[in-house]
Amino acid sequence: DAKTTQPTSMDCAEGRAANLPCNHSTISGNEYVYWYRQIHSQGPQYIIHGLKNNETNEMASLIITEDRKSSTLILPHATLRDTAVYYCIVRASLSSGSARQLTFGSGTQLTVLP
Amino acid sequence: NAGVTQTPKFQVLKTGQSMTLQCAQDMNHNSMYWYRQDPGMGLRLIYYSASEGTTDKGEVPNGYNVSRLNKREFSLRLESAAPSQTSVYFCASSEGGRGAYNEQFFGPGTRLTVL
Repeated sequence: DAKTTQPTSMDCAEGRAANLPCNHSTISGNEYVYWYRQIHSQGPQYIIHGLKNNETNEMASLIITEDRKSSTLILPHATLRDTAVYYCIVRASLSSGSARQLTFGSGTQLTVLP
Repeated sequence: NAGVTQTPKFQVLKTGQSMTLQCAQDMNHNSMYWYRQDPGMGLRLIYYSASEGTTDKGEVPNGYNVSRLNKREFSLRLESAAPSQTSVYFCASSEGGRGAYNEQFFGPGTRLTVL
């Protein structure tokens, strides 16, 4: 699986959009970009994933560049409860009957400020 | 649905003691995982089970054993605990099988201290 690079920490004002970047310049064609977050002391939580196209769900939007070498997770209206460590993970799709573990890096500590 | 449950929530052991961490999921998932997280670090995979009856080593398996008791339950055993195994342990599960969408659901964690 490709390696990812994220900033160590970021701040965001409450109510504003939080834009979290991720660099994955060695990503290959069959690898997806996943985002998870971990609120203090809790287990990680899935946010969103994508391959080529931009994706949106009730939690966030994922923007992937055309060359797929980087992506941005967007929390459109950050709240204090969004303060967490955000992990960008690149992983190939599963083959039948197999499990593919998630490789967590250090992530980005997002602090939403009141 | 309870999702993924883990017991105990906290545990203190002395060096050399043994214990088993329990994990259960009620989502009928095929795959289950054990991770550890040391302070200030990301999660590292210890063992995983792609399906009932199979287990495989992850990144940091030394000092641990696992048992996939049935489809619901996946336990992690420390035979002779060492201070280096002081960590937070997370269990996770996922549907498994073919396809890219394989969200992992995590339990609340077990905080283990080895003195």
